[in-house]
Amino acid sequence: NAGVMQNPRHLVRRRGQEARLRCSPMKGHSHVYWYRQLPEEGLKFMVYLQKENIIDESGMPKERFSAEFPKEGPSILRIQQVVRGDSAAYFCASSPTGGPQETQYFGPGTRLLVL
Amino acid sequence: AQSVAQPEDQVNVAEGNPLTVKCTYSVSGNPYLFWYVQYPNRGLQFLLKYITGDNLVKGSYGFEAEFNKSQTSFHLKKPSALVSDSALYFCAVRDEDDYKLSFGAGTTVTVRA
Repeated sequence: NAGVMQNPRHLVRRRGQEARLRCSPMKGHSHVYWYRQLPEEGLKFMVYLQKENIIDESGMPKERFSAEFPKEGPSILRIQQVVRGDSAAYFCASSPTGGPQETQYFGPGTRLLVL
Repeated sequence: AQSVAQPEDQVNVAEGNPLTVKCTYSVSGNPYLFWYVQYPNRGLQFLLKYITGDNLVKGSYGFEAEFNKSQTSFHLKKPSALVSDSALYFCAVRDEDDYKLSFGAGTTVTVRA
């Protein structure tokens, strides 16, 4: 059973460009979470999605950031007009349901560098 | 609100010695507690979790953790550390009514040969 997959693993963008990060959850998982890890910090929650629904985006900046999890295909985290402060590691996690007892399994992350 | 504190940025131990990584938490309801390990440039790997029941939880790679409700702690332990245990360890908590994890800042463990 393949784990959570994320691509690209590394992404370099210049200021003002768009960054598009993809996450394919584990097989059988329909709940996806995105977290951001800034240098020397722990992970911070950004957004929680189920198929075709955003459940909680309270951790996501109001501007430039958006997320989706379509009926078919991976979850996408999109950052428009990137700035240097967006440089971070972005991790996706998945679980079968959204129950608080469930383990969230993490992907390898996408490391975004904004020049 | 929920939060986690990992009071030690770094822990250094000799191979073969016991390893302890400390974690304290704060939640409004019943806590669900997790430990993850991160190797350089890798994602987080799940080690163990406490949901309910026995306060001593056993996990992967010989790790265990003890839930202490009165001290609101969930310290990670390993009786005999290996050099390969050198990594960044994260404690995380979830309130019983929540789905998102709140992480501590992480503790870097270095095991010297």
